[in-house]
Amino acid sequence: DAGVTQSPTHLIKTRGQHVTLRCSPISGHKSVSWYQQVLGQGPQFIFQYYEKEERGRGNFPDRFSARQFPNYSSELNVNALLLGDSALYLCASSLALAGGRETQYFGPGTRLLVL
Amino acid sequence: AQSVTQLGSHVSVSEGALVLLRCNYSSSVPPYLFWYVQYPNQGLQLLLKYTTGATLVKGINGFEAEFKKSETSFHLTKPSAHMSDAAEYFCAVREFTGGGNKLTFGTGTQLKVEL
Repeated sequence: DAGVTQSPTHLIKTRGQHVTLRCSPISGHKSVSWYQQVLGQGPQFIFQYYEKEERGRGNFPDRFSARQFPNYSSELNVNALLLGDSALYLCASSLALAGGRETQYFGPGTRLLVL
Repeated sequence: AQSVTQLGSHVSVSEGALVLLRCNYSSSVPPYLFWYVQYPNQGLQLLLKYTTGATLVKGINGFEAEFKKSETSFHLTKPSAHMSDAAEYFCAVREFTGGGNKLTFGTGTQLKVEL
C-alpha cells in the first residue's frame, strides 16, 4: 500500500505570494495533520482534520489555513508568505482520532523556500 | 501544556557501541510517548511508541525505550550502533486538544556513528 504522499516535493516562492501544499493520506485513514519543521528544530503542529472538520489548530497566524476533502486528502494554504515560512511541511495521517492511541504516519514533506 | 526535552542535540558513538538518546517529558496526564527517526531529506518514521501496559517498548531496527514515570523519562537505546543508524531522532508526546490530538516534539538529537 502507498504511504502518505505529498506534493510538490520542493517549492520556491517569493515574499507575499501564496502557496498550496497537498497531501493524500494512507488509504482508509480519515485524519490528516499538518506540521511545520524549520531547519534545526522539531516539527510544530499546525492543523488536524478529521472527517473534513478542523479538530485542532496550533499557534500559527491566520495566514495559514487548511481543508480536507471528501476523499480525505488535504490542502494547506499559506498566504502572504514571509521569509520565516521557509520550512519542511509535513503531513501525517492516522486511521481515526481514537483517543490518541492512533499512530500518525508521516509523508516525505514539501520543502518550501521563500525568497 | 505538555512538553518534551531532548538532552544533547548531537550524540556521537562508535559503530558497535551502545546508543542512548535521552528524552524527558512534562505531562499532567498519563502520556502517550513516541520516538521518530528522520533520515536526511525525508519525513519521519515511527520507531516505537508507549501508550499503556509494558513500560519497556521494543521498536524497529533493534531500538527500545523504557517509560519511567518516576523520572518522567522515555530514553531510547540500542545495544550496538550501526552506520545506518546515523540520522536525527525525535521524541514526542501526544497532547489532546479538545476535539483532537497533536504531537509535541522535542528539538531532536542528531546521531553520528563513527567507524
